[in-house]
Amino acid sequence: EAGVTQSPTHLIKTRGQQATLRCSPISGHTSVYWYQQALGLGLQFLLWYDEGEERNRGNFPPRFSGRQFPNYSSELNVNALELEDSALYLCASYLVGYEQYFGPGTRLTVT
Amino acid sequence: KQEVTQIPAALSVPEGENLVLNCSFTDSAIYNLQWFRQDPGKGLTSLLLIQSSQREQTSGRLNASLDKSSGRSTLYIAASQPGDSATYLCAVRGPSGSARQLTFGSGTQLTVLP
Repeated sequence: EAGVTQSPTHLIKTRGQQATLRCSPISGHTSVYWYQQALGLGLQFLLWYDEGEERNRGNFPPRFSGRQFPNYSSELNVNALELEDSALYLCASYLVGYEQYFGPGTRLTVT
Repeated sequence: KQEVTQIPAALSVPEGENLVLNCSFTDSAIYNLQWFRQDPGKGLTSLLLIQSSQREQTSGRLNASLDKSSGRSTLYIAASQPGDSATYLCAVRGPSGSARQLTFGSGTQLTVLP
């Protein structure tokens, strides 16, 4: 069974641009979580999608948004990129009663 | 608001030693607790999951305990090996509703010296 996949592996953008990150959950998992791991700040919860709906968001500005598609894959969009958005973005998929499984992450660098 | 603390922040031990990593959390109303391993620049590998009703879980040389009432968990690594060198993260999941995301500690960076 395939694990959680994320694309792209690396993404380099310039300040002010937009970034789109993608996540495919494990087959059968309906929930997708997004986390940001910035240098020195630890893992911070960003967004939670379940059954196509946004269920919760962390303490991040509206520049961070996303969506979940009918096949439960998800997209994270970051608008008006700032230097401090440079981080490893991790996606996790979840099925009720089980643990969260994480993907390998997307390394976003904003210059 | 749930807060998770991990002590120590860094640990260096010679190969073969047994070691304990500590994790504490402020709100005992958790659904479960997970221990993860993260290698530099990589994603997270789940090591052990303890449900709130459980006291411990074991996998190979790893044993994790949970004392929900005191807000503590420990990860015990037996007979450490250089390949165990990584950052170990503890995370708790809220019971229901909007608290279902994981809240992470800042991690313990473990170095096992050959």
